[in-house]
Amino acid sequence: AQSVTQLDSQVPVFEEAPVELRCNYSSSVSVYLFWYVQYPNQGLQLLLKYLSGSTLVKGINGFEAEFNKSQTSFHLRKPSVHISDTAEYFCAVSGGNTGGFKTIFGAGTRLFVKA
Amino acid sequence: GAGVSQSPSNKVTEKGKDVELRCDPISGHTALYWYRQSLGQGLEFLIYFQGNSAPDKSGLPSDRFSAERTGGSVSTLTIQRTQQEDSAVYLCASSVGQGTNEQFFGPGTRLTVL
Repeated sequence: AQSVTQLDSQVPVFEEAPVELRCNYSSSVSVYLFWYVQYPNQGLQLLLKYLSGSTLVKGINGFEAEFNKSQTSFHLRKPSVHISDTAEYFCAVSGGNTGGFKTIFGAGTRLFVKA
Repeated sequence: GAGVSQSPSNKVTEKGKDVELRCDPISGHTALYWYRQSLGQGLEFLIYFQGNSAPDKSGLPSDRFSAERTGGSVSTLTIQRTQQEDSAVYLCASSVGQGTNEQFFGPGTRLTVL
């Protein structure tokens, strides 16, 4: 079955430092990849998505992610984080061998930005 | 409103009772998803509706769970004979359709089973 693994449950980082949130997926066929963010006491919203084409995808709030097919990874990065980036981040995959358009989410990574 | 709405926002019930959770998707969105988010867990897929097609129910954890979508719009998730392990936040999302499109999430219903 298709799956998504977010390798870190929590990532503490100081303000203005770079951050990488790791995501690996399993699939034998092409998939669509997403990162969603859930700010405290708010609903989930889309950060960015990869459908096809360029493997480097840019999203909102200065985030970007790189699709690596050989490593089946879709890691999220930001060169300099802000306190306001404190949130939970979810990697998700749809299409591929799930059949149809069911979306599978990872367990989430809690990013905590410290002053 | 312009977003996905869910009601109630909070529901406390006793073990063994039935509950109904409602989702109003964004107007014109043909796809509707239900997820369950337990404390410290990710989003667990429950069910997916796309237009008039048969729903994908592969994520429903037991036959106590069911969902319907009337008129291609509002959806109701029903949990019968609730158990304590059903306690979670139930999230609804809608999209224009197909898995390539962004899902817009509602605020969720927090269900507590005593």
